[in-house]
Amino acid sequence: DTGVSQNPRHKITKRGQNVTFRCDPISEHNRLYWYRQTLGQGPEFLTYFQNEAQLEKSRLLSDRFSAERPKGSFSTLEIQRTEQGDSAMYLCASSSNAVARGQGDTIYFGEGSWLTVV
Amino acid sequence: GESVGLHLPTLSVQEGDNSIINCAYSNSASDYFIWYKQESGKGPQFIIDIRSNMDKRQGQRVTVLLNKTVKHLSLQIAATQPGDSAVYFCAENSGGYNKLIFGAGTRLAVHP
Repeated sequence: DTGVSQNPRHKITKRGQNVTFRCDPISEHNRLYWYRQTLGQGPEFLTYFQNEAQLEKSRLLSDRFSAERPKGSFSTLEIQRTEQGDSAMYLCASSSNAVARGQGDTIYFGEGSWLTVV
Repeated sequence: GESVGLHLPTLSVQEGDNSIINCAYSNSASDYFIWYKQESGKGPQFIIDIRSNMDKRQGQRVTVLLNKTVKHLSLQIAATQPGDSAVYFCAENSGGYNKLIFGAGTRLAVHP
């Protein structure tokens, strides 16, 4: 399977604990994104990496959230001191550089990591 | 702020009929639009995309239409099948690196 890989697929944690999700993008893709999705809603942008550089973070990404992509390949998303409101599906996606402005390249999503905070 | 929305939250169709899912967007600067299909418990699956310099694009059983005058996007699915049952999202990209803005989604239910 050469798609975007995420693990774990499901995580149940107690409030206050830390959790970490991993994403392995499609191998030739240098752009990586994290989104969050709650039931009945569309995905919401959290953050974006180009290679190892984190170029944008949404206001949704509080201080308890940190994302890294140390070698420009896989990425991790850590949530510290989890709260019940963090329960959601965390989606990773990847794409390659758009060849030119206006050519928009396809973003492929992984299957997501479900987080339940109890 | 800018947003992408959908006219109908749920669409029910008979197997074999054509389906049309609509979407309105508000950012006239958006230059790239994507339709995703999402089945229960799975991530969004790319269906088809269209750039703002086009008004129609066809894929296998799917067609996307873009009307920039009224900022409207639609997804047409021909000969709808039970396997097409899912939630469909339109998304717009108004940034240079594909920061997508999603709508809430339309659930397509296909009945035999």
